[in-house]
Amino acid sequence: EDQVTQSPEALRLQEGESSSLNCSYTVSGLRGLFWYRQDPGKGPEFLFTLYSAGEEKEKERLKATLTKKESFLHITAPKPEDSATYLCAGEYNFNKFYFGSGTKLNVKP
Amino acid sequence: DAGITQSPRHKVTETGTPVTLRCHQTENHRYMYWYRQDPGHGLRLIHYSYGVKDTDKGEVSDGYSVSRSKTEDFLLTLESATSSQTSVYFCAIRDGRDTGELFFGEGSRLTVL
Repeated sequence: EDQVTQSPEALRLQEGESSSLNCSYTVSGLRGLFWYRQDPGKGPEFLFTLYSAGEEKEKERLKATLTKKESFLHITAPKPEDSATYLCAGEYNFNKFYFGSGTKLNVKP
Repeated sequence: DAGITQSPRHKVTETGTPVTLRCHQTENHRYMYWYRQDPGHGLRLIHYSYGVKDTDKGEVSDGYSVSRSKTEDFLLTLESATSSQTSVYFCAIRDGRDTGELFFGEGSRLTVL
């Protein structure tokens, strides 16, 4: 059973067109929910950690939120440089991180 | 910069040959991990280490072994490489906090012919 599922697989936006990426997770045993950004040929880069429902974190045009069964990564007025694959991961049992397959975001100028 | 270096960054080998990937960290972190990344599967944990000589299996550990004889180095060995082990391998580190995030290296692309 997948602990973490991301949707959509790919998302194409025009510059300035806001949208959200979804991460559904298995609730039982979750210690923390993590968001990463990955550029082609690079390792994932940490963005946010969320621990409890209702929590929100922001960084520039990105805002991550957590509900009781989903997390969202909101992208406000995206720019072409926001194009990347965004990964969601849940930590279940200490040190066991389960990653989703990612959402590939393409922002066109 | 989390101070993680992976080597080699690219390797092509033949089925049945042994392969060792190295992860080196400069930050003296306790926890180190090896993941593989394949299209459609995301990142999957192979093995991790919680200290020198202390390791544990992840979800896809078959065909892989690891060793950690020094805090700074975590080695991943494929005793007899198979084509199904063609992948991009990422090393990650975590500090000692119970709730810390992972920091990843740049990856090692392995092709098994």
